[in-house]
Amino acid sequence: DQQVKQNSPSLSVQEGRISILNCDYTNSMFDYFLWYKKYPAEGPTFLISISSIKDKNEDGRFTVFLNKSAKHLSLHIVPSQPGDSAVYFCAASAFQNKFYFGSGTKLNVKP
Amino acid sequence: KAGVTQTPRYLIKTRGQQVTLSCSPISGHRSVSWYQQTPGQGLQFLFEYFSETQRNKGNFPGRFSGRQFSNSRSEMNVSTLELGDSALYLCASMGTAGVNTEAFFGQGTRLTVV
Repeated sequence: DQQVKQNSPSLSVQEGRISILNCDYTNSMFDYFLWYKKYPAEGPTFLISISSIKDKNEDGRFTVFLNKSAKHLSLHIVPSQPGDSAVYFCAASAFQNKFYFGSGTKLNVKP
Repeated sequence: KAGVTQTPRYLIKTRGQQVTLSCSPISGHRSVSWYQQTPGQGLQFLFEYFSETQRNKGNFPGRFSGRQFSNSRSEMNVSTLELGDSALYLCASMGTAGVNTEAFFGQGTRLTVV
């Protein structure tokens, strides 16, 4: 069963605008959430994380929002840059080093 | 500080064969996890090893097994390969004994079963 879902396989955004990537989960026991970026032929690279005790975490151009009641998290990238074009995965874990990943959203930032 | 190293990068095997993949975690990291990535499926958790013991396990058949050595290096073995085992296998290391910390991934081993 897919406990973490990314329902948008792809997203296209103009350079300089905001990119919003969404992720939904079903397991209310998840307490830690992460976003990874992946380029072709490379492993995923950690971007940003958030604990369930917070509803927002910001790191430079990247902000992750967590809505526990809706079991929803999102990643905002602003301003978007062409180098941000990659596949983005959200992941979640419940008190252990076992991550459940979404199927990914391919972001294309157009110059 | 060297990152997570996986060998080999690419592998082609025939159905029915077995394969062993290797992962060297970041120096000092004792937790090593393995994931399978197939198109449209995201990353699926295989198992996690910590201090040479399997600590977590995913929902994969017994053909998938692993082990961890005293230097934290880990190997994953797949026996009786099937066409559906063709995937990118990723290894991740984590630096603490606890939880709620990010995983650092290697570049992966691309396995093709023909």
